[in-house]
Amino acid sequence: AQSVTQLDSQVPVFEEAPVELRCNYSSSVSVYLFWYVQYPNQGLQLLLKYLSGSTLVKGINGFEAEFNKSQTSFHLRKPSVHISDTAEYFCALRGFQKLVFGTGTRLLVSP
Amino acid sequence: EAGVAQSPRYKIIEKRQSVAFWCNPISGHATLYWYQQILGQGPKLLIQFQNNGVVDDSQLPKDRFSAERLKGVDSTLKIQPAKLEDSAVYLCASSLPGSDEQFFGPGTRLTVL
Repeated sequence: AQSVTQLDSQVPVFEEAPVELRCNYSSSVSVYLFWYVQYPNQGLQLLLKYLSGSTLVKGINGFEAEFNKSQTSFHLRKPSVHISDTAEYFCALRGFQKLVFGTGTRLLVSP
Repeated sequence: EAGVAQSPRYKIIEKRQSVAFWCNPISGHATLYWYQQILGQGPKLLIQFQNNGVVDDSQLPKDRFSAERLKGVDSTLKIQPAKLEDSAVYLCASSLPGSDEQFFGPGTRLTVL
């Protein structure tokens, strides 16, 4: 079975502070890993993806994530957040045909 | 380039009624997905089409849910009859064949009373 765990349901931070959103996965086969962002009343938008190669992946809006196979993690980071980053963030994996999503982490950025 | 279109955006029905959702994918995207996103959870794949054929419907509750993509373009998801636990956002996504990137529509928020 494949699964994605996002332990933090909500992460409050102040504007311009760094943030890390945690994602751990479980799979018996090699996987591709993704981070999606969902703004209120909108669909999901791909932030970044890891398919192979360099374990540090850079995405849109200044986000990056690091794939760690030994710790089965794919944490999302941003060195300085903006108010506009307030949204729900979903980690997902694809091992076979379909995407399996985590339960999401709500990032709340305050002034 | 137009994105994935879905309608309606919101729907409120009573239990045991029927409801249908429509999705028009990005032009040229042969693969189409329907997801169910219950409040506080991540999206769960209900059904995946490749053109007008079903690739995966293993998590579709077939006793009440049905989906079709007759001409390999737009798609309809139907629930008949609806239950309270069907209250969720129904997301449609599309992708090019073999691509890892799925493009999502804004979703339809269904409330079953």
